[in-house]
Amino acid sequence: GAVVSQHPSRVICKSGTSVKIECRSLDFQATTMFWYRQFPKQSLMLMATSNEGSKATYEQGVEKDKFLINHASLTLSTLTVTSAHPEDSSFYICSASTGTTDTQYFGPGTRLTVL
Amino acid sequence: DAKTTQPPSMDCAEGRAANLPCNHSTISGNEYVYWYRQIHSQGPQYIIHGLKNNETNEMASLIITEDRKSSTLILPHATLRDTAVYYCIVSFRGQGSGNTGKLIFGQGTTLQVKP
Repeated sequence: GAVVSQHPSRVICKSGTSVKIECRSLDFQATTMFWYRQFPKQSLMLMATSNEGSKATYEQGVEKDKFLINHASLTLSTLTVTSAHPEDSSFYICSASTGTTDTQYFGPGTRLTVL
Repeated sequence: DAKTTQPPSMDCAEGRAANLPCNHSTISGNEYVYWYRQIHSQGPQYIIHGLKNNETNEMASLIITEDRKSSTLILPHATLRDTAVYYCIVSFRGQGSGNTGKLIFGQGTTLQVKP
């Protein structure tokens, strides 16, 4: 149980384009989903928290207009990186929680490369 | 900022127990201790969590000191597949973010299991 998937696993895009990453909870309903970013040889950095049907809460320093988060259902959240630049190249990871406990279950991650 | 302190790296012989320490001297009464691990280029995997009692599951045991200022994750019989970065995280509840607290990742302990 508690399986979270992400799609795509890898994406390469040109600078200036937008990229959408999907995060799905496959066998449970996720009232809360989180998005993280991880640069090489660094730890995970929390970007934002989203509750189903509500606007996402972004961490300090994360541009909400650049990283659009939608959590329209209890099993799906999307992260759209708008007008991507090479410095946005990173490993993006989502997690999901039922909300009844603090346990988060993580997806396998999406490797974004912006050329 | 991470609220935990872990050694940056540890080695363990295959088949032996791996004991990973964590200090969390500023933990508050309603905060849990969570352990996750991340194998290279994958999303973090949940291992175990606890509040004040020792916990055991099929993956590991968690020993929390009586004053809750430190804990130890025990992998009873380490295998090569247990080589990963292990994160000890204290979970707090963010205001207005539902019932799930944010996970703030530190640098973790890189465990190398050797044959």
